[in-house]
Amino acid sequence: AQRVTQPEKLLSVFKGAPVELKCNYSYSGSPELFWYVQYSRQRLQLLLRHISRESIKGFTADLNKGETSFHLKKPFAQEEDSAMYYCAPRSNDYKLSFGAGTTVTVRA
Amino acid sequence: DTEVTQTPKHLVMGMTNKKSLKCEQHMGHRAMYWYKQKAKKPPELMFVYSYEKLSINESVPSRFSPECPNSSLLNLHLHALQPEDSALYLCASSQDRTGGSQPQHFGDGTRLSIL
Repeated sequence: AQRVTQPEKLLSVFKGAPVELKCNYSYSGSPELFWYVQYSRQRLQLLLRHISRESIKGFTADLNKGETSFHLKKPFAQEEDSAMYYCAPRSNDYKLSFGAGTTVTVRA
Repeated sequence: DTEVTQTPKHLVMGMTNKKSLKCEQHMGHRAMYWYKQKAKKPPELMFVYSYEKLSINESVPSRFSPECPNSSLLNLHLHALQPEDSALYLCASSQDRTGGSQPQHFGDGTRLSIL
């Protein structure tokens, strides 16, 4: 069965500290991986996609096919990073599924 | 216009009512989606339309009836809903269903309450 796991429901860090959100997936074939973010009172929006290998708002995510992981990292968290983060694989039949989500709180 | 617009923002209806949720985008996207999101849970896919044709129905009960009248509009017709159908309904669109690593653009959602 296809599955995506975000083991941390809540993550609290101090401003300036590193933050890492874990995502592990179990999918047949080669899914595409995305991170979506939802800030307070805003709509769900794309943060990163693995194929772009880009850094957005200081966040990066590396796809590790061996470990089937797509962890999201930022070296220095900011207060405006407080949000709900969803790891979202897209399967070979083009369905996007969301992990349970990780709520990040960055404290001053 | 780079937004997906959903109306209404809130809807309260009885179990015998018939109502519709509307979604509109003017980005030229040819794939549109309906998701259901319960409180403190991730969105769950309900339907996918590709080039105005229904391509995925995730075994959604027939009391939910989607419609795509044209490439910019997506409706979700509701009839005889149950209290457990109360949720946030999200609409999304993407350039098309299959090509590349295209992200989905989400609307703000319609918060539906069934009395």
